[in-house]
Amino acid sequence: GENVEQHPSTLSVQEGDSAVIKCTYSDSASNYFPWYKQELGKGPQLIIDIRSNVGEKKDQRIAVTLNKTAKHFSLHITETQPEDSAVYFCAASEGSQGNLIFGKGTKLSVKP
Amino acid sequence: GAGVSQTPSNKVTEKGKYVELRCDPISGHTALYWYRQSLGQGPEFLIYFQGTGAADDSGLPNDRFFAVRPEGSVSTLKIQRTERGDSAVYLCASSPWGSANEQFFGPGTRLTVL
Repeated sequence: GENVEQHPSTLSVQEGDSAVIKCTYSDSASNYFPWYKQELGKGPQLIIDIRSNVGEKKDQRIAVTLNKTAKHFSLHITETQPEDSAVYFCAASEGSQGNLIFGKGTKLSVKP
Repeated sequence: GAGVSQTPSNKVTEKGKYVELRCDPISGHTALYWYRQSLGQGPEFLIYFQGTGAADDSGLPNDRFFAVRPEGSVSTLKIQRTERGDSAVYLCASSPWGSANEQFFGPGTRLTVL
């Protein structure tokens, strides 16, 4: 089955800097790759996603890139703000039913 | 509009007891997923419903776990003879129709088995 690896597990940046989180997946049939932000005590919140027919997608300060050949995808956050501090999860959709396989998460801390 | 809701938000039970966790998906979403999240880990898939039927229950850890969605909207996750290892946050997500589409998560139910 699908396996998703996520790095780094923790990331600390200064406000205004960029943050990059990287994930790799194992199943070449996976075709949907969402990113979630989870704050303490809350459910995961979808922040951006990308499908396998697209190489890059951007939404304001957030962008995601996908390299299907290498089976990796990355989240880029520019001009980070303290409110970006949270745990971020990448995921890959396995099979036709859409259940997600998640990475272990990255705890992002943005220092003012 | 209203998002996914889950009740209760917290549930404390004793080892061996039976619990039910409820999920109200976003109105009109045909796909519903249950996940379990242990501390410091990503959510792990449990079961997927498309309409009323469980299309994939391959993530259920054993036969103590069961879920239903009798009318194609609200779902209940049922755990029999709870064990301490069942302690986790149980998350529900809904999607307009499943495959390669956005899943929207509820706030979760934190289950603690003493």
